[in-house]
Amino acid sequence: QVQLQESGPGLVKPSETLSLTCTVSGGSVSSYYWNWIRQPPGKGLEWIGSMYYSGSTNYNPSLKSRATMSVDTSRTQFSLKLSSVTAADTAMYYCARGSSVCFECSVTWGQGTMVTVSS
Amino acid sequence: DIVVTQSPDSLAVSLGERATINCKSSQSVFEKSNNVNYLGWYQQKPGQPPRLLIYWASTRESGVPDRFSGSGSGTDFTLTISSLQAEDVAVYYCQQYHPTLTWTFGQGTRVEIK
Repeated sequence: QVQLQESGPGLVKPSETLSLTCTVSGGSVSSYYWNWIRQPPGKGLEWIGSMYYSGSTNYNPSLKSRATMSVDTSRTQFSLKLSSVTAADTAMYYCARGSSVCFECSVTWGQGTMVTVSS
Repeated sequence: DIVVTQSPDSLAVSLGERATINCKSSQSVFEKSNNVNYLGWYQQKPGQPPRLLIYWASTRESGVPDRFSGSGSGTDFTLTISSLQAEDVAVYYCQQYHPTLTWTFGQGTRVEIK
């Protein structure tokens, strides 16, 4: 059974670039859509972007081109970089994956990694 | 930009009673080429990641109890919990994931026991 585990720095300074990794166990990154979703403390879910395993990407335009996703098939990892972060980027960040019955859905989720933006 | 709006923001239902949550998209999420609605429902309990309940607007994910059902098409959708159980207390989100649109979550609906 595929499992996802997010990892990241925990604390990032304003204006810096946030880098997160989603490590996949029990499966590969060579299928379905791979999604990043975030949730500010006490608030709702925000879709960040999705990447099809073939490499095509779709980002939330509200992030104004600050987000970049990539897949490393050799290391079975899915990554997110978010540049020029501000306090508004403080959130729990989740990676999620589709399935054979719904490629685009977020069927399998990681437990999330909390990121705080503060000097 | 596409906007997805849920109603109500919260509701309190007695155990065993029906709970209904609505989701409205500002653009149609129905795709004629494959006759599906790109709309899903998620449940999130405190301290946990969300869980997919329903996809294609009305298909239950494996393992989801049959008291959860989804309906609707185009721009208007509904999640129904036919007989509320204590373990259903959670926040519920709809999300549209149409491949030509920016994928968007609703703001969430909190379900509590009356």
